[in-house]
Amino acid sequence: QSVLTQPPSVSGAPGQRVTISCTGSSSNIGAGYDVHWYQQLPGTAPKLLIYGNSNRPSGVPDRFSGSKSGTSASLAITGLQAEDEADYYCQSYDSSLSGYVFGIGTKVTVL
Amino acid sequence: QVQLVQSGAEVKKPGASVKVSCKASGYTFTSYYMHWVRQAPGQGLEWMGIINPSGGSTSYAQKFQGRVTMTRDTSTTTVYMELSSLRSEDTAVYYCARGSYGSGSYYMDVWGKGTTVTVSS
Repeated sequence: QSVLTQPPSVSGAPGQRVTISCTGSSSNIGAGYDVHWYQQLPGTAPKLLIYGNSNRPSGVPDRFSGSKSGTSASLAITGLQAEDEADYYCQSYDSSLSGYVFGIGTKVTVL
Repeated sequence: QVQLVQSGAEVKKPGASVKVSCKASGYTFTSYYMHWVRQAPGQGLEWMGIINPSGGSTSYAQKFQGRVTMTRDTSTTTVYMELSSLRSEDTAVYYCARGSYGSGSYYMDVWGKGTTVTVSS
């Protein structure tokens, strides 16, 4: 069980918008720690997608956006494309555990 | 360009130890922390710990304390992760990931390709 809760899967048709939630608690997201998102394409290493809740590294399309409010965060993908089919993980820091934590991951399927 | 090159796949017997290396290049080695993250087959990402290559200080996830040791060699810009008393549940891909700082936040911005460790009798 992860301290950050994500839906196991989400799906959408090409061009649609999908969102992935990441719910934490008062010892991680709710304590003010930032949320980061990683994309893992099949058979590859994770890649940084969003850092500091809503910032995109250079090269990440602006179709990807992140937000945070209270004890939760969200990743939105607009204009869904076939190449977006991957696993997405949220990550933060937990003061109770004194360590970094990941969500269980969400598989995005493009219908 | 920034690169993290990890050592090759390992097969170990239960009870043995494994030492995985991660050679960094393309940036100032001592200016960035290094994380270790693992992923069991079909499972999610699990944070194992972090090392400061500058002074060698470490912080480990509670789950791995007593079994994991992270070290670094500044002369070769390489960090190491050693896991002892291996059991079948340690079968996983082990990643090193550079810890970066920006916009008031710490995150993992560059990842190695991963090292597969298989524990089997």
